[in-house]
Amino acid sequence: AQSVTQPDIHITVSEGASLELRCNYSYGATPYLFWYVQSPGQGLQLLLKYFSGDTLVQGIKGFEAEFKRSQSSFNLRKPSVHWSDAAEYFCAVGIRYGGSQGNLIFGKGTKLSVKP
Amino acid sequence: DGGITQSPKYLFRKEGQNVTLSCEQNLNHDAMYWYRQDPGQGLRLIYYSQIVNDFQKGDIAEGYSVSREKKESFPLTVTSAQKNPTAFYLCASIAGLAGPRGTGELFFGEGSRLTVL
Repeated sequence: AQSVTQPDIHITVSEGASLELRCNYSYGATPYLFWYVQSPGQGLQLLLKYFSGDTLVQGIKGFEAEFKRSQSSFNLRKPSVHWSDAAEYFCAVGIRYGGSQGNLIFGKGTKLSVKP
Repeated sequence: DGGITQSPKYLFRKEGQNVTLSCEQNLNHDAMYWYRQDPGQGLRLIYYSQIVNDFQKGDIAEGYSVSREKKESFPLTVTSAQKNPTAFYLCASIAGLAGPRGTGELFFGEGSRLTVL
């Protein structure tokens, strides 16, 4: 069965420090992969997505993610974190041909706190 | 501006009452989704609809019902059969399937927080 694992429930980094949020997936074919961000009490916003091609994808707000097929990973990175990046981050895998789970499976999220 | 509108943003319900959460989109998207979000649980799919007059159960459909009479609208009813309805509910839509015909990007509303008193 398809699944997404975000091993870190909560991460705290200092402002200006680098960030890496981990995501591992389980899927039988080449997946579509996404990172979404959610501010408290809000909906989710797409940060970036991978469908095919270059395995390093750039997103909004200075984020990037790298797809590594051999590790079944799609980790999110940012070289220098800003206080406004404090939020919850969700990794998701897209099922190519539909199915009972409605196309996207989400990880349980990683909450990011930023220290001044 | 195109987007998804959920209402109400906050809703309080007494036990035993049905409540309906509204979701309207003007993005001309085919597929719409309802997710439930609880702390530490991520997003869990309740129902989804890929075309008008058709919808499918997700992983946690028990105690919920939906309709899709119009492309723009996908209301969710939380019935009295839902044992633990207090949660944050998110509606989303997508231009097509998460495959070659679609962008794969879900667009989300701002959510509705339901509290059972």
